[in-house]
Amino acid sequence: AQTVTQSQPEMSVQEAETVTLSCTYDTSENNYYLFWYKQPPSRQMILVIRQEAYKQQNATENRFSVNFQKAAKSFSLKISDSQLGDTAMYFCAFMKPLMTGNQFYFGTGTSLTVIP
Amino acid sequence: EAGVVQSPRYKIIEKKQPVAFWCNPISGHNTLYWYRQNLGQGPELLIRYENEEAVDDSQLPKDRFSAERLKGVDSTLKIQPAELGDSAVYLCASSRGAGLNTEAFFGQGTRLTVV
Repeated sequence: AQTVTQSQPEMSVQEAETVTLSCTYDTSENNYYLFWYKQPPSRQMILVIRQEAYKQQNATENRFSVNFQKAAKSFSLKISDSQLGDTAMYFCAFMKPLMTGNQFYFGTGTSLTVIP
Repeated sequence: EAGVVQSPRYKIIEKKQPVAFWCNPISGHNTLYWYRQNLGQGPELLIRYENEEAVDDSQLPKDRFSAERLKGVDSTLKIQPAELGDSAVYLCASSRGAGLNTEAFFGQGTRLTVV
């Protein structure tokens, strides 16, 4: 079974600063996908960014970027120019595509607080 | 495009009572997931459907939990009887289908409190 580890239960960052959330995973699969989801107090899980394991180039979405180290099985999320609206729980997720439906595994989350 | 719709958003029941949650996935999404999320934790899979077939229910406590996805669209998750430890947020998610490169889309969840 795959495991996803987020070692930072809580983090804080000053508004406009940069913060990095860490995630490691354990798998023997070669074909998989990685995601970062954001869960604000409203509870809706929202996709932040995704990375295909076969791509060496790190994914970027506006202020969000990842550092994907496949050999080290590391997938960190960098948030630049942090905004108050970034305050939320952030979950790292591993996805294994199967013919019986994609299987997702989630970490325990990092609670990020952006301080004005 | 309408997102994943869940109801109710909140439910408070006494222990030993039954409760049901409803989920309407995104149109055209073949895969439907039910997750349980305890406070301060990540979502944990209860059951995964591919169309109307439950392809992974290994984590579903079958003595008290049941689920169905008739016609491969809407789904209902039921707990009978509820226990205090069932208090959690129950999330429904859907994705396009088996093997496809796609993320899961989540509903807003149902917060269940068992008293």
